[in-house]
Amino acid sequence: QVLLQQSGPGLVKPSQTLSLTCTISGDSVSSNSAAWNWIRQSPSRGLEWLGRTYYMSKWFHDYAVSVKGRITINPDTSKNQFSLQLTSVTPEDTAVYFCARYVRVDTANRYFDYWGQGTLVTVSS
Amino acid sequence: IQMTQSPSSLSASVGDRVTITCRASQYISSYLNWYQQKPGRAPKVMISAASRLQSGVPSRFSGSGSGTDFTLTISNLQPEDFATYYCQQTYSVWTFGQGTKVEIK
Repeated sequence: QVLLQQSGPGLVKPSQTLSLTCTISGDSVSSNSAAWNWIRQSPSRGLEWLGRTYYMSKWFHDYAVSVKGRITINPDTSKNQFSLQLTSVTPEDTAVYFCARYVRVDTANRYFDYWGQGTLVTVSS
Repeated sequence: IQMTQSPSSLSASVGDRVTITCRASQYISSYLNWYQQKPGRAPKVMISAASRLQSGVPSRFSGSGSGTDFTLTISNLQPEDFATYYCQQTYSVWTFGQGTKVEIK
């Protein structure tokens, strides 16, 4: 059974950096059969995929165009975690943030199967 | 790729048959998943690859479609099925529909 446990502050000031961590149990961040993702949800933007990190002989990172240039997702193999950093936040970044595991069973059969509990992050002074 | 669900909400009774549609703005083959989300919880994958029922999901849930048009059907609606449902494409980058809230009539 895979468990994803999120941690991080729920309040961030405008222009500062949002930082969240997702700790993995029951799998490895270095698994070559999964990708580790951050997704957010807000009333105005709905569910929005932000980015992922995955390992296939080396580390790869992909980011959504909407946050590219502000986002970094880093794995930490020593703690079996991955993190999200989003810089220069504005109130538009207020959302519930989820971490999630993505697996690919076969060509078309690929999905987010395990999710963290969600963290409400409010951007406000 | 934009995903458009309809309706955005619906009211139904226990025992009803419910159909939710999802349209992609371009061809996505069968790269389409359906998630169920209850208040305060993370989404849960119900159907993947357009029509494959996830393990443990009741057989009253079914999915169909290919290309750009997809359908989620819940037959014999049960109290625990009242939730919001999202489609998601995994053909290119990953995007979600805006959701369909299934409410009790």
